[in-house]
Amino acid sequence: AQSVTQPDIHITVSEGASLELRCNYSYGATPYLFWYVQSPGQGLQLLLKYFSGDTLVQGIKGFEAEFKRSQSSFNLRKPSVHWSDAAEYFCAVGSLTDSWGKLQFGAGTQVVVTP
Amino acid sequence: DAGVIQSPRHEVTEMGQEVTLRCKPISGHDYLFWYRQTMMRGLELLIYFNNNVPIDDSGMPEDRFSAKMPNASFSTLKIQPSEPRDSAVYFCASRPGLAGTGGQFFGPGTRLTVL
Repeated sequence: AQSVTQPDIHITVSEGASLELRCNYSYGATPYLFWYVQSPGQGLQLLLKYFSGDTLVQGIKGFEAEFKRSQSSFNLRKPSVHWSDAAEYFCAVGSLTDSWGKLQFGAGTQVVVTP
Repeated sequence: DAGVIQSPRHEVTEMGQEVTLRCKPISGHDYLFWYRQTMMRGLELLIYFNNNVPIDDSGMPEDRFSAKMPNASFSTLKIQPSEPRDSAVYFCASRPGLAGTGGQFFGPGTRLTVL
């Protein structure tokens, strides 16, 4: 069965420090992968996506993610966080063979940014 | 484009009352998804539509929940009768019809409180 695991429920990081959020997936088919961000009281906003090709993908707000097939991972990174990056982050997985476009979401990682 | 529009943004009702949540997807998007988000269960897919036809409603919790999509620009999620355990944030999302491309675009959500 497909699954998405975000091992870290909560991460605290200082403003200006680097951030890495982990995402591991278990998927039988060729996956496509997403990272979403949810600010308090808001809907989910797409940060970036991976389908194929270059395994390092760039997204909005200075985020990037690297797909590692051998590790079944798709970790999100940002070199220097800003206070506005405080939010909840969700990893999601779908299948290129699933034309319906259903996504499996992880449980989310809450990011707190300290001054 | 205005994005996915949901109404109301907040709804407070009493147990036993009927609740109707509304969604207007992004114009041209062929797929529409309804999700529920709670602290305990995270983000759950309730039902999704393709070209106004319900494809999978296996996530609908019980018969009290129903969803319709009478046309390409409007969908409703109805709860009748509502119960306190239905309190959650309900999101609508839409995506284009091209398989394996793009992500889902989320609305701002409806925060439902059932007293």
